[in-house]
Amino acid sequence: NAGVTQTPKFQVLKTGQSMTLQCAQDMNHNSMYWYRQDPGMGLRLIYYSASEGTTDKGEVPNGYNVSRLNKREFSLRLESAAPSQTSVYFCAAKRGGSDTQYFGPGTRLTVL
Amino acid sequence: AQSVAQPEDQVNVAEGNPLTVKCTYSVSGNPYLFWYVQYPNRGLQFLLKYITGDNLVKGSYGFEAEFNKSQTSFHLKKPSALVSDSALYFCAVRDDGAGSYQLTFGKGTKLSVIP
Repeated sequence: NAGVTQTPKFQVLKTGQSMTLQCAQDMNHNSMYWYRQDPGMGLRLIYYSASEGTTDKGEVPNGYNVSRLNKREFSLRLESAAPSQTSVYFCAAKRGGSDTQYFGPGTRLTVL
Repeated sequence: AQSVAQPEDQVNVAEGNPLTVKCTYSVSGNPYLFWYVQYPNRGLQFLLKYITGDNLVKGSYGFEAEFNKSQTSFHLKKPSALVSDSALYFCAVRDDGAGSYQLTFGKGTKLSVIP
């Protein structure tokens, strides 16, 4: 039982490149989330998926797209990376009816 | 709108002393309150939560938090700090009147326990 896993752990991109961050959970939780963490800013919600087949924007969605591929997987795509997207990205999952979110280990992304 | 504030960027405490990490919140309905801890290069780990009931909530690793409705606070406490408690601590809130399960996180407080 791995919980929430994220790949890759680290990534360096050049401005304008695209990439997809992967997240998977084996807890059979309905809801999944993508956050970014920046120094002095705490965690900010990018997108979330309340259940399979649905996605909604969070606080800072610009420049990102998401796909809820199935109940287990929720990916985050940067179509044209910008230096402002340099951050640590966390995926989280939550069981329906509960408030406790479980986090993955994070992806550290640098955009040059 | 829901919001949470952690007024201290950093808290330093000597090993064996009691520690407090402060959190205040603002909601229009009833608050659901959480504390998470982040160790270096790791994801956030759930420590404890307040939904309803006793104002003193006990959580993992000997931590507890006190809900104070009149002061809109939810401070994290531990009677005797360990060096291994050094980490980044996040308070989070959800407004049960907001119709959403989204959490709003504070900016985090770095706790350093000095041997």
